[in-house]
Amino acid sequence: SQELEQSPQSLIVQEGKNLTINCTSSKTLYGLYWYKQKYGEGLIFLMMLQKGGEEKSHEKITAKLDEKKQQSSLHITASQPSHAGIYLCGAVMVGNTGKLIFGQGTTLQVKP
Amino acid sequence: GAVVSQHPSRVICKSGTSVKIECRSLDFQATTMFWYRQFPKQSLMLMATSNEGSKATYEQGVEKDKFLINHASLTLSTLTVTSAHPEDSSFYICSARQPGFRSGGYTFGSGTRLTVV
Repeated sequence: SQELEQSPQSLIVQEGKNLTINCTSSKTLYGLYWYKQKYGEGLIFLMMLQKGGEEKSHEKITAKLDEKKQQSSLHITASQPSHAGIYLCGAVMVGNTGKLIFGQGTTLQVKP
Repeated sequence: GAVVSQHPSRVICKSGTSVKIECRSLDFQATTMFWYRQFPKQSLMLMATSNEGSKATYEQGVEKDKFLINHASLTLSTLTVTSAHPEDSSFYICSARQPGFRSGGYTFGSGTRLTVV
């Protein structure tokens, strides 16, 4: 079973539209990480969330972690073609000795 | 700061041969490193946790005799794919853990694309 569920698995949006990617854990999280990747390349760190209810923003990307620290969302406002790629949520779970595991990933396409 | 260098970036090898991938932390000491594998259109799957000076801890389903991990120093971990077969072709990526850095403590290498022919 997947410890970290990410949805949707793929997303196609028109440029300028907003979108949300969700990440849900079956266990309480010590930390939740969002990365962007192009397949076959390294990961680009976006944000890390550790506190329940925490919200962080960078440019047009906002990430939130719920109070229970089991669910996170990544929201992109006014999407652009440069936002296209694979978005990965990663998490360290309480008691997991620092292992960072990943959800299934979301492939985002932004149509001009 | 917090740079991880992974080498080689691409390698093609013949079936039955072994391939070594290196992961180096350039400007910090990494007591713990992680190795992941990624198939096309899939996410990163954790293979093993590499701890300096001790045996690696492998995830369920990962053959430790096939994927040899050595973490002999605080800046270098290696993954050796032994007797490689075409099904081992994949993208392998390492991560070094260093709490306190801006990236939240996990710095990733740029990955190695392995093709076994």
